[in-house]
Amino acid sequence: GAVVSQHPSWVICKSGTSVKIECRSLDFQATTMFWYRQFPKQSLMLMATSNEGSKATYEQGVEKDKFLINHASLTLSTLTVTSAHPEDSSFYICSAQLALGQETQYFGPGTRLLVL
Amino acid sequence: LAKTTQPISMDSYEGQEVNITCSHNNIATNDYITWYQQFPSQGPRFIIQGYKTKVTNEVASLFIPADRKSSTLSLPRVSLSDTAVYYCLVGGLSGGYNKLIFGAGTRLAVHP
Repeated sequence: GAVVSQHPSWVICKSGTSVKIECRSLDFQATTMFWYRQFPKQSLMLMATSNEGSKATYEQGVEKDKFLINHASLTLSTLTVTSAHPEDSSFYICSAQLALGQETQYFGPGTRLLVL
Repeated sequence: LAKTTQPISMDSYEGQEVNITCSHNNIATNDYITWYQQFPSQGPRFIIQGYKTKVTNEVASLFIPADRKSSTLSLPRVSLSDTAVYYCLVGGLSGGYNKLIFGAGTRLAVHP
């Protein structure tokens, strides 16, 4: 149980285009999802906390207009990288909290973004 | 700023028991301790979670002393496939959700 999926698993795009990444909780409802970014050989960096039906909370230094997050249902959160540039190339990972009031998070497999 | 300190790397051999210790001196009363495993180009995989004393599941054990200022992840009889980065995280509920801040993790290399 507690499976989180991401789509796509990898994407290559041209500079200036926007890319949408989906995060789904497959066998549970997640009121809270999180988005992370990971550069090669580095740890995960939390970008934002996404709560169903409300605006996302962004970490300091993360541009909310650059990384649009939508959490429209209890099983789906999306991250849109707008006007992507080569420096946005990274590994994007989402996680979902098992339930409100539960500490455990389960992570998706990640999405590799390459901006040319 | 991460709340935890772990060794940057460890080496072991197949069949040995591996213990990775994590320091979390400023752990809060409502914080849980969670360990994740990450392989290259994959999302972290949940290993084990605990609050105090000892927790055991089918893949690992977690030892937490009474003061909770540290914890030790124990992997019995490791194999080559256990080569990965292991993250220790502490966090508790705030506003109903648990925001995890990752530290550098421990890079475990298992040798034949």
